[in-house]
Amino acid sequence: DIVMTQSPDSLAVSLGEWATINCKSSQSLLHGSKNQNYLAWYRQKPGQPPEVLIYWASDRESGVPDRFRGSGSGTDFTLTISSLQAEDVAVYYCQQYLTTPQTFGQGTKLEIK
Amino acid sequence: EIQLVQSGAEMKKPGESLKISCKASGYTFTYKWIGWVRQMPGKGLEWMGIIYPRDSDTRYSPSFQGHVTLSADMSVETAYLQWSNLKASDSAVYYCVVSGGNWFEMWGQGTLVTVSS
Repeated sequence: DIVMTQSPDSLAVSLGEWATINCKSSQSLLHGSKNQNYLAWYRQKPGQPPEVLIYWASDRESGVPDRFRGSGSGTDFTLTISSLQAEDVAVYYCQQYLTTPQTFGQGTKLEIK
Repeated sequence: EIQLVQSGAEMKKPGESLKISCKASGYTFTYKWIGWVRQMPGKGLEWMGIIYPRDSDTRYSPSFQGHVTLSADMSVETAYLQWSNLKASDSAVYYCVVSGGNWFEMWGQGTLVTVSS
C-alpha cells in the first residue's frame, strides 16, 4: 500500500494569513504516460462529511475559492490556503488514487490563532 | 447534481449482522464507482472498498476484505455495505462516495454505526 504522511498534524494560523499543509507519498504518484499526479485534497469541516477541494494535485474543484492552491509532483505535495478565513477551520486530508487500496494521509487540523 | 443519501444511524450488538445503504441520484448510476470510507471516532479516513455497479467489479482494501461485503442494485440505484458478524471495533461513521475512477467527487452524509453489548 502507498503510505501518505501529512505534516504538520495541526497548525494555528491568524485570520488573513497563509496556511501550508504538506503531504508526502511513499512512492511516486506521477503516472508517466498520462503525466498526471494522482493526488487529491479534501476538507472536512466539523460535523460534516469531507468534500473535495483539489484533484490531479493542482486542479481546483468547481466552486472552490482560488485561495486554495495545490502544488507538487512525484512524492511531495502542498496545499496552500491564502488569506485564511474563519470558515477554513477544518481537518484537511490528502489522498492518493493511483492504486487500490486508495489511501489517505492522517489529516491536518487547521485552527485560527 | 450528484446526491448520495445514506440510511440512518444503527445500534447493534456484537455478532449481529447489518446492511446499510446509499441511494444515488443526479448521474448515471451504472457508469461511476461507488465506494465506502470508514471514520472511527475522532480518527481519520480509511478507504474500505469500491464497486462498479455496471459489472459488479469490486475492489476491497486488505484491511476490510472478508469482513464486509459491498453490493449495488442498479434497479434502485443504491449501493450497500454489509457485515455478517459485527464487532465493537466496527463502531464508526461510514461514508459512501462516488468516483469516476479517480478522486471522490461526492460524499454521502454518513451513517453512524454503534456496536455495543
